[in-house]
Amino acid sequence: SQTIHQWPATLVQPVGSPLSLECTVEGTSNPNLYWYRQAAGRGLQLLFYSVGIGQISSEVPQNLSASRPQDRQFILSSKKLLLSDSGFYLCAWSAGGAKTQYFGPGTRLLVL
Amino acid sequence: GDSVTQMEGPVTLSEEAFLTINCTYTATGYPSLFWYVQYPGEGLQLLLKATKADDKGSNKGFEATYRKETTSFHLEKGSVQVSDSAVYFCALDPSNDYKLSFGAGTTVTVRA
Repeated sequence: SQTIHQWPATLVQPVGSPLSLECTVEGTSNPNLYWYRQAAGRGLQLLFYSVGIGQISSEVPQNLSASRPQDRQFILSSKKLLLSDSGFYLCAWSAGGAKTQYFGPGTRLLVL
Repeated sequence: GDSVTQMEGPVTLSEEAFLTINCTYTATGYPSLFWYVQYPGEGLQLLLKATKADDKGSNKGFEATYRKETTSFHLEKGSVQVSDSAVYFCALDPSNDYKLSFGAGTTVTVRA
């Protein structure tokens, strides 16, 4: 069966510091991968998605970036965090050609 | 573009009450429709889905019917429990796209 992991689970970072969040999927090949952000009490905002290694599509302009160095690994990064980057970050995957997305447990980021 | 609109919360109910969360959609094609649930502090879980008109998705006592004539996919449960307290998201997959379009989410609190 497929599983999706995210780490860390919780992160507290100062403004201006770098960020690296990791997401990995097991039990499937060539998944579509997604990064979402959920601000407190709000809905989901799609940040990036990827249909293959090295292929990243950005949905909103921001100081975040994403990379996919391996088939089942998706990384969300920032060089300098802003206060507004605080939120709950969710990674998701879907099988190529299928629409159902499966979500990881999320990373709660607090920027102080 | 394709989108969903779901009723605003929060919704507060007593145990064993009937729950309805309205969701309507706008789409140019024939999207699949989804309900996701997010329990406190966790990622999203797929609750149910329907892929074509008149399909009924069901899971854990929840049901939703894909109504093309009213462009709706309302979520219902006949007798809620405290453990159903969560945020519920309606979503659709726009035609020929890898992304899901999510509603804003409805927070449901069930009191004993």
